[in-house]
Amino acid sequence: QQQVKQSPQSLIVQKGGISIINCAYENTAFDYFPWYQQFPGKGPALLIAIRPDVSEKKEGRFTISFNKSAKQFSLHIMDSQPGDSATYFCAASIGGTSYGKLTFGQGTILTVHP
Amino acid sequence: NAGVMQNPRHLVRRRGQEARLRCSPMKGHSHVYWYRQLPEEGLKFMVYLQKENIIDESGMPKERFSAEFPKEGPSILRIQQVVRGDSAAYFCASSLPGGQPQHFGDGTRLSIL
Repeated sequence: QQQVKQSPQSLIVQKGGISIINCAYENTAFDYFPWYQQFPGKGPALLIAIRPDVSEKKEGRFTISFNKSAKQFSLHIMDSQPGDSATYFCAASIGGTSYGKLTFGQGTILTVHP
Repeated sequence: NAGVMQNPRHLVRRRGQEARLRCSPMKGHSHVYWYRQLPEEGLKFMVYLQKENIIDESGMPKERFSAEFPKEGPSILRIQQVVRGDSAAYFCASSLPGGQPQHFGDGTRLSIL
């Protein structure tokens, strides 16, 4: 029940295209859903995050779509660029004393071809 | 650099030795988290600490692993009697009270010979 399932494992997109990464969860107690970007040899960097009281959040070229009834959320990268090539992780956490504990998806390796 | 600082960046140990990983949180952050990343896998939560207090250690292996965050100084993740399976990247994150958002350091890559 604590799992977050992420797909696809890898994704290849042409420059200017839309990259879409999906995540699904089972635990309805999750109430915070961030996305992280990780480059080789670096730590994860927070991209964007959403809470279940909204269905969509946009920051620049990055958009999170959230479907509470389906227990799914996704990351859309518009106008994808070669510099977006990285590994992307979705995550989720529960409120209360466990609020700090993030449960991560398995990651998606995104390659954007020029 | 006001970010989360981890050292060393790379650590090589022989089986049976001890490994000590250090993490200095972002300025003003009082909450620290440790995660482990095995090759080509996602990050797995290990432990959540505040100053002088362990909040959640549900992801810590029962033996050989310990963590602390003293009143003064960095947080330390300690692995005793390391084995080959401990080879991984260990990431530290920090946050303000409330737990989110978490900001990550660049990790310590631990290799066991």
